[in-house]
Amino acid sequence: SQTIHQWPATLVQPVGSPLSLECTVEGTSNPNLYWYRQAAGRGLQLLFYSVGIGQISSEVPQNLSASRPQDRQFILSSKKLLLSDSGFYLCATDPSGGYTFGSGTRLTVV
Amino acid sequence: GNSVTQMEGPVTLSEEAFLTINCTYTATGYPSLFWYVQYPGEGLQLLLKATKADDKGSNKGFEATYRKETTSFHLEKGSVQVSDSAVYFCALTVPGAGGTSYGKLTFGQGTILTVHP
Repeated sequence: SQTIHQWPATLVQPVGSPLSLECTVEGTSNPNLYWYRQAAGRGLQLLFYSVGIGQISSEVPQNLSASRPQDRQFILSSKKLLLSDSGFYLCATDPSGGYTFGSGTRLTVV
Repeated sequence: GNSVTQMEGPVTLSEEAFLTINCTYTATGYPSLFWYVQYPGEGLQLLLKATKADDKGSNKGFEATYRKETTSFHLEKGSVQVSDSAVYFCALTVPGAGGTSYGKLTFGQGTILTVHP
């Protein structure tokens, strides 16, 4: 079965600082990978998805970017954080239509 | 486009009460439907799913039936426990064209459930 590792679990960053959140997947090869964000009091919003190394699709315009340097690694980044980037970020994979989520990173931008 | 609408929360119940959380959807294509649960401080866990009309997903005493005619997937539990307190998300995905397995999840806004002893 697939396992997703996300880190860090919590992060407090000042406005204007850079961001790098990492997600790695075990137990599968060539997975589809997703980054979702859950803003306070709201549902989950798909930010990026990737069907292979170097292949990134963005779902919404934003201050963030994603990269997939290796088959099982998915990175979410920002050069300069905004207050509105605060939220709960979840990495997910979709091995056969049944999504598996990581434990998430709670980002607070101050 | 695809969308999911959940009943407004929060929902507060006493232990052993009956639970219903309504979920309706609109989708292009033939969606698969899911309920996810998020316990405090944790990520999302799949609670149950249904992939075709009239399917009933069930897990941990929770049930939901895929109703194509009413485009609904309401979550029910006959007797809730304090440990069921969590946020519940209804979601759908429409499998990609050409037989690809991936499908982007579309979530409802989530319903906070609090169960008191």
